[in-house]
Amino acid sequence: AQSVAQPEDQVNVAEGNPLTVKCTYSVSGNPYLFWYVQYPNRGLQFLLKYITGDNLVKGSYGFEAEFNKSQTSVHLIKPSALVSDSALYFCAVRVPASGGSYIPTFGRGTSLIVHP
Amino acid sequence: EAGVVQSPRYKIIEKKQPVAFWCNPISGHNTLYWYLQNLGQGPELLIRYENEEAVDDSQLPKDRFSAERLKGVDSTLKIQPAELGDSAVYLCASSPGQGRTDTQYFGPGTRLTVL
Repeated sequence: AQSVAQPEDQVNVAEGNPLTVKCTYSVSGNPYLFWYVQYPNRGLQFLLKYITGDNLVKGSYGFEAEFNKSQTSVHLIKPSALVSDSALYFCAVRVPASGGSYIPTFGRGTSLIVHP
Repeated sequence: EAGVVQSPRYKIIEKKQPVAFWCNPISGHNTLYWYLQNLGQGPELLIRYENEEAVDDSQLPKDRFSAERLKGVDSTLKIQPAELGDSAVYLCASSPGQGRTDTQYFGPGTRLTVL
């Protein structure tokens, strides 16, 4: 089955330190991968997407995604974490559905906690 | 540009009662999604619309859940009767199309509590 996996339920990092939120994927063909962030009592907000090209994709709020085809991963990174980055982060991929369309499939999420 | 609008934001009902959620997508977005999100989990797709047509409703519990998107714009998701296990956040999202690279935009969600 085509899917994404987020191996860590929670990531803790000190403010100012670099952060990494991991995501691995299992898809056929070219992977099209998305990252979303969810703050408490809010909907998901789009951060970035990897389509093709450079292995480093820039997104919103200073986040980037590092794509690695050999490791089938697309980790979310940020050079210097802020307390305000504390939130729930979701990796997603669109999997083929009937009629040539694609259904978004989400990982279970990783809670990022940035300590002052 | 207005984002995806959902109402109500919160709803508390007793089991066996009916409940309805409303969603207005971003203008011009043809594809609309309803998701269920349990605490600490990722969104799970319930139903997907392309304009007014439901193109994927395989995960919708049809014995109690129903949805409609009349005129291909706003949409309503209904539960009747609600059960305790339906307590969750119901998210609506829209995208310009249903292609592989289309970005989804989410509303704030409706938090349902069934007592």
